[in-house]
Amino acid sequence: EAGVAQSPRYKIIEKRQSVAFWCNPISGHATLYWYQQILGQGPKLLIQFQNNGVVDDSQLPKDRFSAERLKGVDSTLKIQPAKLEDSAVYLCASTLSGSLGETQYFGPGTRLLVL
Amino acid sequence: GEDVEQSLFLSVREGDSSVINCTYTDSSSTYLYWYKQEPGAGLQLLTYIFSNMDMKQDQRLTVLLNKKDKHLSLRIADTQTGDSAIYFCAERDDSGTYKYIFGTGTRLKVLA
Repeated sequence: EAGVAQSPRYKIIEKRQSVAFWCNPISGHATLYWYQQILGQGPKLLIQFQNNGVVDDSQLPKDRFSAERLKGVDSTLKIQPAKLEDSAVYLCASTLSGSLGETQYFGPGTRLLVL
Repeated sequence: GEDVEQSLFLSVREGDSSVINCTYTDSSSTYLYWYKQEPGAGLQLLTYIFSNMDMKQDQRLTVLLNKKDKHLSLRIADTQTGDSAIYFCAERDDSGTYKYIFGTGTRLKVLA
């Protein structure tokens, strides 16, 4: 079974530029999560999708961050414009349906450095 | 509010036991989790415990849960150098959107 795929693995941009990350969850997984992991901290949920609908985006800085999952499969997270404090690893994860007791599978992450 | 706390560092000698501690705040959490993160990698689920259990053992891993004190621990027996990583505990908010809340992580260093 293929795992959660993410690209790119690394990205370096200058502040005020735009950047986009892509995630392809495990086949058949309805629930998809984007997390931001700042160095030395645990992952913080940015947005959670159930199929193509948003379940929770309460911690997504909506003035600069956006995410979509148009067909309920893969997803894109965008930052526009980027700030220095956006430097972090962006992790994508998926679960089968989001139900109790399910295992959450993580991708390898995209490491973003904003200069 | 939601908060999951862990100590930042732990250093042990190869062959000793490691105990990583965690405190959480959300009493509605039905499951509590332990994840491992190796350098440059995503998080890998190690084990989880159902909230009505006190203990769960899985090979070298033992999870202890004190629900009254909201304290969770992970014991790794016979710690090996390959166990060096960051360990995160996590709870899930089962009263709302079922989002996961992660601790700050404990960096385990195993000395040969």
